[in-house]
Amino acid sequence: ETGVTQSPTHLIKTRGQQVTLRCSSQSGHNTVSWYQQALGQGPQFIFQYYREEENGRGNFPPRFSGLQFPNYSSELNVNALELDDSALYLCASSLDEGYNTEAFFGQGTRLTVV
Amino acid sequence: ELKVEQNPLFLSMQEGKNYTIYCNYSTTSDRLYWYRQDPGKSLESLFVLLSNGAVKQEGRLMASLDTKARLSTLHITAAVHDLSATYFCAVDVNSGYELNFGKGTSLLVTP
Repeated sequence: ETGVTQSPTHLIKTRGQQVTLRCSSQSGHNTVSWYQQALGQGPQFIFQYYREEENGRGNFPPRFSGLQFPNYSSELNVNALELDDSALYLCASSLDEGYNTEAFFGQGTRLTVV
Repeated sequence: ELKVEQNPLFLSMQEGKNYTIYCNYSTTSDRLYWYRQDPGKSLESLFVLLSNGAVKQEGRLMASLDTKARLSTLHITAAVHDLSATYFCAVDVNSGYELNFGKGTSLLVTP
C-alpha cells in the first residue's frame, strides 16, 4: 500500500457529461500528478500540482482541469466527456525534495464513457 | 519529443529461465524508474535508478541504467509464475515534474 487513495474506484458516465475524480496524497507529500492510462498503453502525464498551483501540463485539452487543496489532496475534473476519455486515471503523490523525487501511485479510477 | 521504447512488448517465458527487458529513451536523463502493474491494478514501484551505472537488485529482478547509451535493462533471473505482470519503465526529464512511460512489457511466465 502506498498511502495514496483515489475515489471512486469505478465510474460510468455518458458522453458530454462532466466528472470529478479525487485523490488523497500520501502523508507528508506536497505534489500530486495525474496520469491517464488507456487500455494496453503506458500512463500519459496530464498535469501536476505543487502547493496548490499547477506545476506543469501534458498534452491534454483544457477540458481536463484540476485542483489541489491545502491538505495536498487533489481533484481531476473532465468536462464534455468523450468516448476516448475511457481509461484508468492514476494519481501519484511525491515529496518535492529536489533531486530524489519518487512518485507513489494510487489504485486508480476506472472511467468508462458510454 | 521524448520517446521511451520498451522491448519486447510481449514476453512468454518458462519458469526457471532468464530474460532481459530493454528500455531505450531518446533524450538525456539520469533518472529512470521501473514499475510493475498487475491486471486492473495500479503501479507498484520496483526500482529507482538515479545515476549512470546504477544497478539495483530485488529478488529475481535486477535493473541497471546506462545514461550514455540511454538504456536501462530489467533482468529476470530464474523466472517464477508470480512475476507475470506488465512492467513499465519511466523516464524523468524534468526533475520529478513528469514521468514519460514506455508502452510496457507484458510478461507471462509459464510452467
